[in-house]
Amino acid sequence: QSVLTQPPSASGTPGQRVTISCSGGTSNIGSDTVSWYQQLPRTAPRLLIYNINQRPSGVPDRFSGSRSGPSASLAISGLQSEDEADYFCAAWDDSLGGWVFGGGTKLTVL
Amino acid sequence: VQLQQSGPGLVKPSQTLSLTCAISGDSVSSKIAAWNWIRQSPSRGLEWLGRTYSRSKWYNDYAVSVKSRMTINADTSKNQFSLQLNSVTPEDTAVYYCARAFYNWGLDYFDYWGQGTLVTVSS
Repeated sequence: QSVLTQPPSASGTPGQRVTISCSGGTSNIGSDTVSWYQQLPRTAPRLLIYNINQRPSGVPDRFSGSRSGPSASLAISGLQSEDEADYFCAAWDDSLGGWVFGGGTKLTVL
Repeated sequence: VQLQQSGPGLVKPSQTLSLTCAISGDSVSSKIAAWNWIRQSPSRGLEWLGRTYSRSKWYNDYAVSVKSRMTINADTSKNQFSLQLNSVTPEDTAVYYCARAFYNWGLDYFDYWGQGTLVTVSS
């Protein structure tokens, strides 16, 4: 049971916009920055979004993040086949004194 | 920045799991980074294990779930850091990752990851 709650799956067709939610609490997302990671099969996670809505260089602007209270969202617009992957949210938890992750959302591009 | 992991892929129950993460392109003594160990298994998902970082002194933080069994050490002479997890059980079977976190100015996120090491705990 992950501290951060994500839907286990999401899907969309090429060109569509998909949103993935991440629900936490006041000790993690509600009080600290959240980051998002993409994981392709058999590879390490890759940073997609940091500080709620900032993109590292090299990440397309199709990816965007937002936060509302203790929840965060990752939006992917103009969906492409190469976006098919697992997506994870993460945040520091002040109560636990450590990082917590979401259980991951498997995105399927139909 | 590149992180290169090394260590055995098979450990016997009750023994110690040891992994090393060699850093290139940055310093383990960096004042704006933290060096982390994270594992991933089908049953537990992504699980942060702990970190070490240098500011005015060295700091270590550990996840509550492994705090009593885990040690992270930084080796400045080799520019690497290591994980030791004692008294392992089959539940410790996972892919283990080392990761750098940019940790400064109110920001904290994992920007570089090692390649991952599958560690199986089995006799």
